Amino acid sequence: GAVVSQHPSWVICKSGTSVKIECRSLDFQATTMFWYRQFPKQSLMLMATSNEGSKATYEQGVEKDKFLINHASLTLSTLTVTSAHPEDSSFYICSAREAGTVGNEKLFFGSGTQLSVL
Amino acid sequence: GENVEQHPSTLSVQEGDSAVIKCTYSDSASNYFPWYKQELGKRPQLIIDIRSNVGEKKDQRIAVTLNKTAKHFSLHITETQPEDSAVYFCAASRGSTLGRLYFGRGTQLTVWP
Repeated sequence: GAVVSQHPSWVICKSGTSVKIECRSLDFQATTMFWYRQFPKQSLMLMATSNEGSKATYEQGVEKDKFLINHASLTLSTLTVTSAHPEDSSFYICSAREAGTVGNEKLFFGSGTQLSVL
Repeated sequence: GENVEQHPSTLSVQEGDSAVIKCTYSDSASNYFPWYKQELGKRPQLIIDIRSNVGEKKDQRIAVTLNKTAKHFSLHITETQPEDSAVYFCAASRGSTLGRLYFGRGTQLTVWP
C-alpha cells in the first residue's frame, strides 16, 4: 500500500510552547488529509480535514486557533499545537486519501506522534 | 454527526477459533465501512473494507458483512492465530469519495495459543 510518513514520532515540550507535526504522503499525491487524536486505549477521534490549498475543516469542539493546520502542497500537511498544555498530551495521527476511481479510494495512516506536554 | 458503536470491547479466543466483532452506525447515508487493526503504539492498518453496494466481502480468513437496513456490520476472523491479537477498529464514512472516518471504540482481541 501507499506510504504516509509522520514526524516526529514523539515529542516532549514545555507548557506554553508550540509543536509542529508533519504528515507526508511519500509515493502519492493527497489533496485531502485528516488529523486524528487518540487517547490511551481509546478510539481515534477525527479532529479536522486538511485540504490542499484551502482552509481546514474542523470537527465540532475542536479549537481552530489551538490546532493550526496547513496543507501547502499535495504531499504535506502540518498540524501545529499552539500554546500546548498538559491536557493536549495525546497520540496524534494523520491519514491521507489516495486517489483512485470513484468508490475505490483508500485511506492510509501515518505512524503517529506521541505528544507529552510537561 | 455519525455515531459508531462497537462491541465487544474485549474478546478472548483460543487459537483456531473464530472471532466476531460487531458495529452499528447511526447515519443512513454512510456508505463506506473499513476495519483497521492496530498494534500497540503502531499505526492502524486497513485489513478489509466494504461499501454499501455489497453485503459481504471476504479475504482469506477475514470477512465483513453489512446489513444496511439494520445499520450494522461485522468483522469475522476464522482460524485465529496469536498474531491476530491486536485492537480492531470499525469505522464509517459517507460521500461519493472517501471522506471523514468515524471510528468505533475498538475491540481488544487476544488469541491464546
